[in-house]
Amino acid sequence: DAGVTQSPTHLIKTRGQQVTLRCSPISGHKSVSWYQQVLGQGPQFIFQYYEKEERGRGNFPDRFSARQFPNYSSELNVNALLLGDSALYLCASSFDVYQETQYFGPGTRLLVL
Amino acid sequence: GESVGLHLPTLSVQEGDNSIINCAYSNSASDYFIWYKQESGKGPQFIIDIRSNMDKRQGQRVTVLLNKTVKHLSLQIAATQPGDSAVYFCAEIQANNAGNMLTFGGGTRLMVKP
Repeated sequence: DAGVTQSPTHLIKTRGQQVTLRCSPISGHKSVSWYQQVLGQGPQFIFQYYEKEERGRGNFPDRFSARQFPNYSSELNVNALLLGDSALYLCASSFDVYQETQYFGPGTRLLVL
Repeated sequence: GESVGLHLPTLSVQEGDNSIINCAYSNSASDYFIWYKQESGKGPQFIIDIRSNMDKRQGQRVTVLLNKTVKHLSLQIAATQPGDSAVYFCAEIQANNAGNMLTFGGGTRLMVKP
């Protein structure tokens, strides 16, 4: 079975631009979460979606937004990019949100110049 | 805010030896803990989990121990192999009606010497 997939794998943007990252969960999983991982640190929670509804939001500015589609795939959007947004963006899926283990995709490496 | 942390940033072991990676957590309300392994350029890979009503759980070559009294979590890897070289994260979940978002610590790098 396919695991969590993310696209693109790498991305280079300039300050002020906007970016959209995509994630497809494991088949049968209904929850998708997004995390930001800065080099040398642990992942930081950004958003969680379950059944197309936002279930949680981390301490990130309003420039970050996300949505989940009827097929449970998800997009993360970041507007007005800053240099500090350069990071590995990880998507994780779980069957539901009740203490189910989350499985991560390979991530999208974003570099903002 | 409360978060999960680790005692040692880097651990170097000889191939074949046992490895122990430690983690301290401060949120007493956390009731589910997971260890992840992250290799360079890859996403975190699930290793083993443990619920707060357990003290120990064993997998293949790995054991997780939970000491709720001192809020301490450890991952033991038996007969460490070169393929075990990676960064290891512990993460916690505080169950609530909203979701199961993970709170990660900073990670420990495990280096296995041949």
